[in-house]
Amino acid sequence: GAVVSQHPSWVICKSGTSVKIECRSLDFQATTMFWYRQFPKQSLMLMATSNEGSKATYEQGVEKDKFLINHASLTLSTLTVTSAHPEDSSFYICSARETGISLHFGNGTRLTVT
Amino acid sequence: GNSVTQMEGPVTLSEEAFLTINCTYTATGYPSLFWYVQYPGEGLQLLLKATKADDKGSNKGFEATYRKETTSFHLEKGSVQVSDSAVYFCALSLNTGNQFYFGTGTSLTVIP
Repeated sequence: GAVVSQHPSWVICKSGTSVKIECRSLDFQATTMFWYRQFPKQSLMLMATSNEGSKATYEQGVEKDKFLINHASLTLSTLTVTSAHPEDSSFYICSARETGISLHFGNGTRLTVT
Repeated sequence: GNSVTQMEGPVTLSEEAFLTINCTYTATGYPSLFWYVQYPGEGLQLLLKATKADDKGSNKGFEATYRKETTSFHLEKGSVQVSDSAVYFCALSLNTGNQFYFGTGTSLTVIP
């Protein structure tokens, strides 16, 4: 089945630094990928829709200058958390839609900002 | 609008008990329905899906039937195992778009 690989699985960084998270579709091409944020014991909050070769579409309330998304190829999207602060600590999950209807998820990245 | 409402947890069951997690939806179009499972520290995995009314999705002993008349997609399993402990998310997708709508998730703990 379709596999989405997300890296790193966890990262600890200091306040003020930037962190890049990669999301790859391993065995299919994904023109669209999605980035979610999940707070403890809560559902997924869609942050943005990443479109290959064009600008990402951000959900209301998500700072596009804070969360930079690049979808450079049909198999890779990256999320960069810029000038991270402790309140950015969260679980970030990417997903991609293969041909058809199902959404395939990466294993998530646990970000801790100290 | 489009939304998913699922049973609040947490749910704690003994091994081999019967499981039901309720899920209802509202949709502006004709949705496909999904159940995803999230094990601790991991992303979401597709558990099962149904694309049209009266379809039954099934996987690993779990089942859910797409009920258009009641706008529901309840998840059931006849005999749960400790390994089923996870968070379960009901979701819908309108076939015309990319957007998925998730419920808030239901945490299940199965005790031996």
